[in-house]
This record gives sequence, C-alpha cells and structure tokens, in this order.
Amino acid sequence: KAGVTQTPRYLIKTRGQQVTLSCSPISGHRSVSWYQQTPGQGLQFLFEYFSETQRNKGNFPGRFSGRQFSNSRSEMNVSTLELGDSALYLCASSLGLAQFFGPGTRLTVL
Amino acid sequence: AQTVTQSQPEMSVQEAETVTLSCTYDTSENNYYLFWYKQPPSRQMILVIRQEAYKQQNATENRFSVNFQKAAKSFSLKISDSQLGDTAMYFCAFLFSGAGSYQLTFGKGTKLSVIP
Repeated sequence: KAGVTQTPRYLIKTRGQQVTLSCSPISGHRSVSWYQQTPGQGLQFLFEYFSETQRNKGNFPGRFSGRQFSNSRSEMNVSTLELGDSALYLCASSLGLAQFFGPGTRLTVL
Repeated sequence: AQTVTQSQPEMSVQEAETVTLSCTYDTSENNYYLFWYKQPPSRQMILVIRQEAYKQQNATENRFSVNFQKAAKSFSLKISDSQLGDTAMYFCAFLFSGAGSYQLTFGKGTKLSVIP
C-alpha cells in the first residue's frame, strides 16, 4: 500500500500571501489529521477530518483552515501568511487509533 | 488537558548497547493510548510502538519495548542492540480514545544519537 503523500514538499511564500497544502491518505483511511512542527513549539495539532467533517480543531487562529474531500484527500489553507507560520506541516492518516504520517511540507515565509 | 513530558532533550548510546528514553504524561482520563514515534533526519515520522492503557502487559516490537507504569503515568522506551539507523528524534505521544477524535499530544522529543 502506498503511504501518506503530501504536496508540495517545499514551499516559499512571502508575508501576506496564502498557501494551500495537500495530503493524500493511505487507501482506506478516512481520518486525516494535520500537525505543525516548529523547533520552538514542537508538534502541535491543527485539525482532524473524518468523512469530510472536521471533528476537532487545535488552538490556531482562523487563518488556518482545512477541508476533506469524498475520496479522503485533504487540504489545509493558511491565509495572510506570517513569518511565524514557517514550519513543517505534517499530515497523518488513520484507520484506527494509530496514525501514519506523511513526509511533510516545509513552508518558509519570507 | 493532557500534557506529555520528555525530560531528556538529547541522549547518545554506543552501537549494540541498550538505551532507555523517558516519558511522563498527565491526564485525568482512564482510557487512552500511548505511542512512540521516530523521526529520522529525513523527517518522515514512523510509528515505533503503541500501548493501550487498559493492557497491563508491556508492548514489544522486535528491539523496541516499553515500560508502562499507569499509576506513575510513565511510559519509557527501551531500545536494545542499538543500531546506527536508530539515530533520530523520538517523540512520545498520547491519545485519549474517548474524545471522538484522533488528536495526538506530543512531547518535545528526545534526540538520540547512536555512536559507532
């Protein structure tokens, strides 16, 4: 089975722009979660989607949003980018309780 | 809210030796799961081992085993016969199974270096 894939792998944006990241889960997995990883804050939960519905959301501003499609693929969007949004964004999919991570998207905001 | 603490930011071990990584957590819940994830320098996070809180028996996966002490809220990872490929960041993670959501709470991580 193919693993979790994320596109793009690397992204450079400037402050004020918006960005969309994509995640394709493992086939058959209906839950997709997003995490932000930074050296200072570590791994922080952004949100989780299950069957196209957001089940939970972390403590992030409304500039961070996401959605899930009927094929379980998920996208997250960050609007009005700030320097502090520079991070590795990880997507994880799960069928049960164990989550399997993708390689991440490295976002750099200049 | 749950918290996960990894008190060892960095550790090193000689190849073929055994090393133990510590993790403590704080929760008022009774039904939960604990995980250890490994993140090598290539950045892909890999699930190493999982433990269900309702199970008293410690989980084992090949060279990896845990020491789960529920009353003490402790969940350490033991790596036996350390190999160079074990060099990575190791994250302890908590998941509350009754929340209706698969949200993981992570510790800050332990950077493990295996020395030849």
